[in-house]
Amino acid sequence: DQQVKQNSPSLSVQEGRISILNCDYTNSMFDYFLWYKKYPAEGPTFLISISSIKDKNEDGRFTVFLNKSAKHLSLHIVPSQPGDSAVYFCAGLTGKLIFGQGTTLQVKP
Amino acid sequence: GAGVSQSPRYKVAKRGQDVALRCDPISGHVSLFWYQQALGQGPEFLTYFQNEAQLDKSGLPSDRFFAERPEGSVSTLKIQRTQQEDSAVYLCASSLGQGTPDGYTFGSGTRLTVV
Repeated sequence: DQQVKQNSPSLSVQEGRISILNCDYTNSMFDYFLWYKKYPAEGPTFLISISSIKDKNEDGRFTVFLNKSAKHLSLHIVPSQPGDSAVYFCAGLTGKLIFGQGTTLQVKP
Repeated sequence: GAGVSQSPRYKVAKRGQDVALRCDPISGHVSLFWYQQALGQGPEFLTYFQNEAQLDKSGLPSDRFFAERPEGSVSTLKIQRTQQEDSAVYLCASSLGQGTPDGYTFGSGTRLTVV
């Protein structure tokens, strides 16, 4: 039972362009949705979150959009930078975090 | 400490061997979580502690997996009679409470390889 799904295993974009990472969920009980960034041999680090009662949250170059009717959220990174290259996980929160499978983002200089 | 510390960073175990993985959470953090991350997958929830009480162990895959946090600080995840499918990165996270969206801090994990 995959409550959180990231259907794109990888994404490659050019430096300066927009990166859009997508996530779908099935559990309507999540209080928050979060995005984590993970570099090799390190633990996931928190990037940005959105409350389930909001539809948009912005923090610098990062914006998360939530479409509750479609049970879909997305992370936009504008402009993308080579240092953004990492694995991105979306997660739903109901006390504990439920993660998607991750999307590997490569930003090419 | 400044972050969540996990040890060892790497562990190679022969099939059938018992292993113990340690997590030192951030001082004062009440909640502690263990996750298992298989290669190419997202972290999967194993178990949750609030102080010394294990409130949720629904993610433990079998009775070979056991976790404890006897004094409400350091936690140990023990795997008995390891099998090849136990090979994964084991992540520990801590937080002040439960449900704060930006409050979960992860350690770097222990990579367990069962040969």
